[in-house]
Amino acid sequence: DAGVTQSPTHLIKTRGQQVTLRCSPKSGHDTVSWYQQALGQGPQFIFQYYEEEERQRGNFPDRFSGHQFPNYSSELNVNALLLGDSALYLCASSSYDRASGYTFGSGTRLTVV
Amino acid sequence: DAKTTQPNSMESNEEEPVHLPCNHSTISGTDYIHWYRQLPSQGPEYVIHGLTSNVNNRMASLAIAEDRKSSTLILHRATLRDAAVYYCINMEYGNKLVFGAGTILRVKS
Repeated sequence: DAGVTQSPTHLIKTRGQQVTLRCSPKSGHDTVSWYQQALGQGPQFIFQYYEEEERQRGNFPDRFSGHQFPNYSSELNVNALLLGDSALYLCASSSYDRASGYTFGSGTRLTVV
Repeated sequence: DAKTTQPNSMESNEEEPVHLPCNHSTISGTDYIHWYRQLPSQGPEYVIHGLTSNVNNRMASLAIAEDRKSSTLILHRATLRDAAVYYCINMEYGNKLVFGAGTILRVKS
């Protein structure tokens, strides 16, 4: 049973550029959450998607946006990249009631230069 | 989301039990207690969760204090593969996970 799949695994972008990260949830899960993890810190919640709508949002600027598709996969878009956006971006999937917990992908390592 | 307090780091010997404590004095009656761990270069991994009663699964046991203001994650026999950052999280049912800094567990051979 495939878990959460994220692509790409690594990415290097230049300041001011835009980036799109992708996530395929675990089979049977319909909710996708995105997290940003800076080096040495715990993951920080960005937002969560269910039924193709953003349901919850953390303290992140509007430069961070997302989308969920009918097959439950999701994209995270970041515009006008800053050096501070360099981090590991994690996708987590779950059923909406969270009864079985969250399953995380291995993340996308984004480096902004 | 309730704030949790964990030791910054702990050390254990291989093959011995490990008790990882977590304080959550402001937990609400509907918050679940979740534990996740993150191995190096990987995303967090679900370990166990509970509400009021102690819980056991193949990975660990969760002991919850009677007043629910603290809990302990128990790894019965630590292995080198258990070296990770362990996060204790109070989560309202149906809500998001809010991570703190966690406890770095080091396992010595």
